[in-house]
Amino acid sequence: AQRVTQPEKLLSVFKGAPVELKCNYSYSGSPELFWYVQYSRQRLQLLLRHISRESIKGFTADLNKGETSFHLKKPFAQEEDSAMYYCALTTGTGTASKLTFGTGTRLQVTL
Amino acid sequence: NAGVTQTPKFRVLKTGQSMTLLCAQDMNHEYMYWYRQDPGMGLRLIHYSVGEGTTAKGEVPDGYNVSRLKKQNFLLGLESAAPSQTSVYFCASSRYGGGSYEQYFGPGTRLTVT
Repeated sequence: AQRVTQPEKLLSVFKGAPVELKCNYSYSGSPELFWYVQYSRQRLQLLLRHISRESIKGFTADLNKGETSFHLKKPFAQEEDSAMYYCALTTGTGTASKLTFGTGTRLQVTL
Repeated sequence: NAGVTQTPKFRVLKTGQSMTLLCAQDMNHEYMYWYRQDPGMGLRLIHYSVGEGTTAKGEVPDGYNVSRLKKQNFLLGLESAAPSQTSVYFCASSRYGGGSYEQYFGPGTRLTVT
């Protein structure tokens, strides 16, 4: 069965330190992965998707099919990065495909 | 544009009561979704709709019903609320179907069933 695992409930880092939010997935099909973020008092929103290969707000994520991982990284954490981060996997095909979310990791950036 | 809105923001129900949560979007999106978010569980899909007049079951549909009579609205109903349905409910919409496209989320409805 498809599954998204985010092993850390809370990740606390100092400002300026590197950040790595872990995401592992289990899926027999061709995976499409996303990172969604929820800042305090804001809505859940898309941060980035693996097919875009883009850097958003300094964050990048590389899909590693061999390790079935899609870790989110940023070289230097900022206070405004503090938020809840969810990794999500597309499962199924076509219009019937859906997002499966991980349990989320709260990133806390402290001074 | 308001994007995705949800009504109400908060609600407290007694066991056995019924209620309807309303989701509205003004982006002309075809696809709409209802999720619930519980501590330690992430977001789980309850029901979704691929267009006006259509609905389909998600991962945790039991105890809920939905309707999509108008393209812009997606209603989630609880016919007989149970404490296990205490949760935060999120509605989302997307222009195209499936999980490959960005979903736009509402602000959430916090429901407590006592």
